[in-house]
Amino acid sequence: DAGITQSPRHKVTETGTPVTLRCHQTENHRYMYWYRQDPGHGLRLIHYSYGVKDTDKGEVSDGYSVSRSKTEDFLLTLESATSSQTSVYFCAISEENTGELFFGEGSRLTVL
Amino acid sequence: QKEVEQDPGPLSVPEGAIVSLNCTYSNSAFQYFMWYRQYSRKGPELLMYTYSSGNKEDGRFTAQVDKSSKYISLFIRDSQPSDSATYLCAILNTGGFKTIFGAGTRLFVKA
Repeated sequence: DAGITQSPRHKVTETGTPVTLRCHQTENHRYMYWYRQDPGHGLRLIHYSYGVKDTDKGEVSDGYSVSRSKTEDFLLTLESATSSQTSVYFCAISEENTGELFFGEGSRLTVL
Repeated sequence: QKEVEQDPGPLSVPEGAIVSLNCTYSNSAFQYFMWYRQYSRKGPELLMYTYSSGNKEDGRFTAQVDKSSKYISLFIRDSQPSDSATYLCAILNTGGFKTIFGAGTRLFVKA
């Protein structure tokens, strides 16, 4: 296993509430990513990080923010959750030489 | 136009069949091509990795890249029920070190 844990694994929340998902790695990799997965869309990149405090937007970043204060932790925050953010969220780390991604088990978020 | 296009299926085949999964992409500058396999309620895992054009074989799996037509293929020989999963084609965009995924094709192999 690649040493990536996501928490929480399941969450149900209401529209308008803030939500934070946490990704923790034990591999000391520089690159970390947050993707969302929805039927018919595959995996879409939300935000990624290339080092502590270094982050950038992905394809579907609206409504999301991220923070990385330590190498091992990458947080994804939904400031005010909407029903369109109901999805499965995957964190990944990247092998820097090859670009191979290692994924966590996913966090299933339902916004009512 | 999406950067990577993939038919989401589902695709259902009998055990022992040869499976062909395909993707097209738009940017001719892409060089690194991958296939990930994802079992139900799990994260994706790398299955095959190809640089530039050509074929790569690993057991029952063959990955093929045709850069002239911007076409990526994955072939599975002697398919097994354990191959039932979602297969995602992916391209590494080295500008920014980001991986772009296709929609994923859900494959069912029936015993």
